[in-house]
Amino acid sequence: GENVEQHPSTLSVQEGDSAVIKCTYSDSASNYFPWYKQELGKGPQLIIDIRSNVGEKKDQRIAVTLNKTAKHFSLHITETQPEDSAVYFCAALGSGGSYIPTFGRGTSLIVHP
Amino acid sequence: ETGVTQTPRHLVMGMTNKKSLKCEQHLGHNAMYWYKQSAKKPLELMFVYNFKEQTENNSVPSRFSPECPNSSHLFLHLHTLQPEDSALYLCASSQDRGAEAFFGQGTRLTVV
Repeated sequence: GENVEQHPSTLSVQEGDSAVIKCTYSDSASNYFPWYKQELGKGPQLIIDIRSNVGEKKDQRIAVTLNKTAKHFSLHITETQPEDSAVYFCAALGSGGSYIPTFGRGTSLIVHP
Repeated sequence: ETGVTQTPRHLVMGMTNKKSLKCEQHLGHNAMYWYKQSAKKPLELMFVYNFKEQTENNSVPSRFSPECPNSSHLFLHLHTLQPEDSALYLCASSQDRGAEAFFGQGTRLTVV
């Protein structure tokens, strides 16, 4: 089955800096890669996703890149703000592989004011 | 709000109790999921329902019993739980299997 590795487990940055979280996956048939943000006491919320037919997607301060050859994808947050502090999860799934998302272990992002 | 509502938000139960968790979505989604989230562990898929039919049971102990009476509602019936079952239980739904999932706020379960 699919295996998703996520790094780092904890990331501490100063407000205004950029943050990058990386994930690798094992199933080359996976073709959909969502990212979730989970704030304290809440469920995960989808913040951005990317499909295998594109290499990059951007939404304001958030961007995701995908390298299908190397089987890795990354979340980039620019100009971080204290409200970006949360746990971020990556996931991989696909109709060719498994339609059930496999999640990474999560990254706790702390943005210091 | 994601459109997926879970009740109760918090639940404390003894090991001999029977309780149920409820999940409701009015997004018109066809697939619904139960996940378990424990500290320091990845999200664990428990059950998947697609068009009210259970399609996945991820080796979950029988003390957890899901029920999906219609495409909008999903229940998780609990009985004779163990303290290690204490966790955040998350419900999610998606338009179809493989589409983006929307999560509820979760039920924080404590077994004493």
